[in-house]
Amino acid sequence: DTGVSQDPRHKITKRGQNVTFRCDPISEHNRLYWYRQTLGQGPEFLTYFQNEAQLEKSRLLSDRFSAERPKGSFSTLEIQRTEQGDSAMYLCASSFSGGSTDTQYFGPGTRLTVL
Amino acid sequence: DAKTTQPNSMESNEEEPVHLPCNHSTISGTDYIHWYRQLPSQGPEYVIHGLTSNVNNRMASLAIAEDRKSSTLILHRATLRDAAVYYCILMYNNNDMRFGAGTRLTVKP
Repeated sequence: DTGVSQDPRHKITKRGQNVTFRCDPISEHNRLYWYRQTLGQGPEFLTYFQNEAQLEKSRLLSDRFSAERPKGSFSTLEIQRTEQGDSAMYLCASSFSGGSTDTQYFGPGTRLTVL
Repeated sequence: DAKTTQPNSMESNEEEPVHLPCNHSTISGTDYIHWYRQLPSQGPEYVIHGLTSNVNNRMASLAIAEDRKSSTLILHRATLRDAAVYYCILMYNNNDMRFGAGTRLTVKP
């Protein structure tokens, strides 16, 4: 399977704990995106990378959230001191920036439940 | 921010065409119109995109109004597997997609 993969698929944690999610993009894609989706809503943009550079961050990305893409390949999203409001599906997408517009390919998501 | 407006839900019968509308009256000249869909328990899936001209691919057709203030995604023969939430998105700055709530399509056998 050469699509976008995310790990874990499900995470249950207690409030106040730290969690880290991993995303492996399609191998030739240089852009990687993180989104958050709550029940009944569309995905909300969090941040994106071009290669290893983090080029944009949404105001939704509070100080407790940090994302990295150290070698321009896989990415991690860490949430520190989780809160119940962080419960959501976290989606990763990747694209190749070769034309006038990108097509983003999404992974299956990581569902986070904060108790 | 350029925004889109879609009906919350639509129903279709299996094997009939479906026309999913989207209004984007504040679209700018460089915004591309993208459509994605999200099946239950999956990440969004690319369907089609266009700028000014109508577009066809194996999944669907995209009809764009002449003034670009609206567009319609056309599924030529709906199947039960097409039941999903369909999102109409304006792509600007070539990266940042802003999803709305989308249209939940129900396909009846």
